[in-house]
Amino acid sequence: EDQVTQSPEALRLQEGESSSLNCSYTVSGLRGLFWYRQDPGKGPEFLFTLYSAGEEKEKERLKATLTKKESFLHITAPKPEDSATYLCAVHRSGSARQLTFGSGTQLTVLP
Amino acid sequence: GAVVSQHPSWVICKSGTSVKIECRSLDFQATTMFWYRQFPKQSLMLMATSNEGSKATYEQGVEKDKFLINHASLTLSTLTVTSAHPEDSSFYICSAIKFGGDTDTQYFGPGTRLTVL
Repeated sequence: EDQVTQSPEALRLQEGESSSLNCSYTVSGLRGLFWYRQDPGKGPEFLFTLYSAGEEKEKERLKATLTKKESFLHITAPKPEDSATYLCAVHRSGSARQLTFGSGTQLTVLP
Repeated sequence: GAVVSQHPSWVICKSGTSVKIECRSLDFQATTMFWYRQFPKQSLMLMATSNEGSKATYEQGVEKDKFLINHASLTLSTLTVTSAHPEDSSFYICSAIKFGGDTDTQYFGPGTRLTVL
């Protein structure tokens, strides 16, 4: 059974204080690992897809990396508008395009 | 881009009534859409997979007769909550698959907040 574990559950940062969110996964045949951002009362917003170990992707202050067991979402010099819940999900090869989601990390960036 | 819309964004209904939620892919065609339910401070729970032109596939524990799904076109899927009860109150989110690249990407709608009185 696919498993996705995100840590920490919640993270409070001061504006400008860089940090990383972790997503550990167990899946037989990873086809893709996805990162989403979700604001309260809204649907998840797609951020990145990572396909293979060693891959990295960047978008503004966010950088996602992937190893064979985990993914990190690095946030550099965060701003209050980066406050949200960040969700990690995996797509297993052979599955009907279904994603298995982690429980998310709630990030709060204080001004 | 890949835009998915949902309508309505929120709905309040009386117990025993039925509610229909629409999910549309606005700038791409989607043969596969998903319906999720999310409780406060919890992650998304997959309810069913909706395939255009065929019957939906429901996850274990989800009542087919209570949550009716219709995917009649490549841009529209609907979820009808029949005979709604207060325990059906939740945040319902749909997603649509956009093909391309090495894998398919799910793009999510903004969600529908259902409150059953």
